[in-house]
Amino acid sequence: GENVEQHPSTLSVQEGDSAVIKCTYSDSASNYFPWYKQELGKRPQLIIDIRSNVGEKKDQRIAVTLNKTAKHFSLHITETQPEDSAVYFCAVPRRRSSYKLIFGSGTRLLVRP
Amino acid sequence: GAVVSQHPSWVICKSGTSVKIECRSLDFQATTMFWYRQFPKQSLMLMATSNEGSKATYEQGVEKDKFLINHASLTLSTLTVTSAHPEDSSFYICSAHPGQGGTDTQYFGPGTRLTVL
Repeated sequence: GENVEQHPSTLSVQEGDSAVIKCTYSDSASNYFPWYKQELGKRPQLIIDIRSNVGEKKDQRIAVTLNKTAKHFSLHITETQPEDSAVYFCAVPRRRSSYKLIFGSGTRLLVRP
Repeated sequence: GAVVSQHPSWVICKSGTSVKIECRSLDFQATTMFWYRQFPKQSLMLMATSNEGSKATYEQGVEKDKFLINHASLTLSTLTVTSAHPEDSSFYICSAHPGQGGTDTQYFGPGTRLTVL
């Protein structure tokens, strides 16, 4: 079945440094790749997403890159700030199930001031 | 736009009682809503898919008679945890999707923290 693996599980960076989180998926037909940020006790919030017809998308300090051949996509956060500290989840669509998402295991990002 | 609300935000109940959680899309019509459960420090686990006007579809291992889902309108889905037990204590989150013709994006509610004593 479909599977998505997310690494690392925890990531600690100094403020101002970059952070990269990677997800690997199994279904080559996947065509939509969102990233969610979840603060403690809050709802997941979509921060960026990409469709399979592009290889990279950027929104200010956040970018997502997609490698369809290798079946992985990554979240890049540059110039990290303490408020970027949160848990980040990637997701991929479930095969043959409209709009259902399979979530990665999450990455706890800590940005040290 | 694309706001989803959930009520209540938290609830404490006694073992054996039932709890109803509401999920509303406030500014769009959601033909499909999803219900997730999230245990501490874990990922979101899809419990069921709720489609307006039809029966919900449940993920493997989720008891449909225990987690009753009703999606009677395009803006409201409810999850009822029946005969709740302490192991049902969790963070329950819904999400809403506009359906065919819309984007792939799911919009999440703020979640409901259920504690069963």
